[in-house]
Amino acid sequence: AQSVTQPDIHITVSEGASLELRCNYSYGATPYLFWYVQSPGQGLQLLLKYFSGDTLVQGIKGFEAEFKRSQSSFNLRKPSVHWSDAAEYFCAVVSMNRDDKIIFGKGTRLHILP
Amino acid sequence: GAVVSQHPSRVICKSGTSVKIECRSLDFQATTMFWYRQFPKKSLMLMATSNEGSKATYEQGVEKDKFLINHASLTLSTLTVTSAHPEDSSFYICSARYTGTSRIYTEQFFGPGTRLTVL
Repeated sequence: AQSVTQPDIHITVSEGASLELRCNYSYGATPYLFWYVQSPGQGLQLLLKYFSGDTLVQGIKGFEAEFKRSQSSFNLRKPSVHWSDAAEYFCAVVSMNRDDKIIFGKGTRLHILP
Repeated sequence: GAVVSQHPSRVICKSGTSVKIECRSLDFQATTMFWYRQFPKKSLMLMATSNEGSKATYEQGVEKDKFLINHASLTLSTLTVTSAHPEDSSFYICSARYTGTSRIYTEQFFGPGTRLTVL
């Protein structure tokens, strides 16, 4: 069965520092991968997605992610974080088991130090 | 991108009452809508999948008589929490997508969520 692992429950970085959030997936074929961000009490906003093609994906708000098949990873990066980036980040994969459901990781809470 | 709205954004009700939450796709026809539940500081848990004009498919462990889902039109799905109790308090999020006749995957667009508090 497909699964998504986000090994870090919490990450704290200083404002202006670089960021990398880890995501590993378990999937037999080429996955459809997503990163979503959720601010407190809000819905999900899509940061970026990977379906095929270039393995380095650019998203909104200065985020990017790189699909590495050999490592089954889809890590999210940002070169310089802003205080407004503090939020919950979810990595997700589409289940291609003829139902197209989205399987979410458990999320990583990002804290920003001033 | 496509816009999905939810109404209400917050609702407080007394134990034993029923609450209806609406999910609307504002600028596209959503043949499939999904309902998720999110507990505090937890990930999203898929409750059910609804396709327009047919019965919803519930995930294992979700009480279909408790959480009634109706997808009567291509732009509206409703989730009714019947005889709500405090343990039903949660953040409910819907998503919607258009499913074409091809097998090309189309992404889901998420609503802003509804905070339900049952007293």
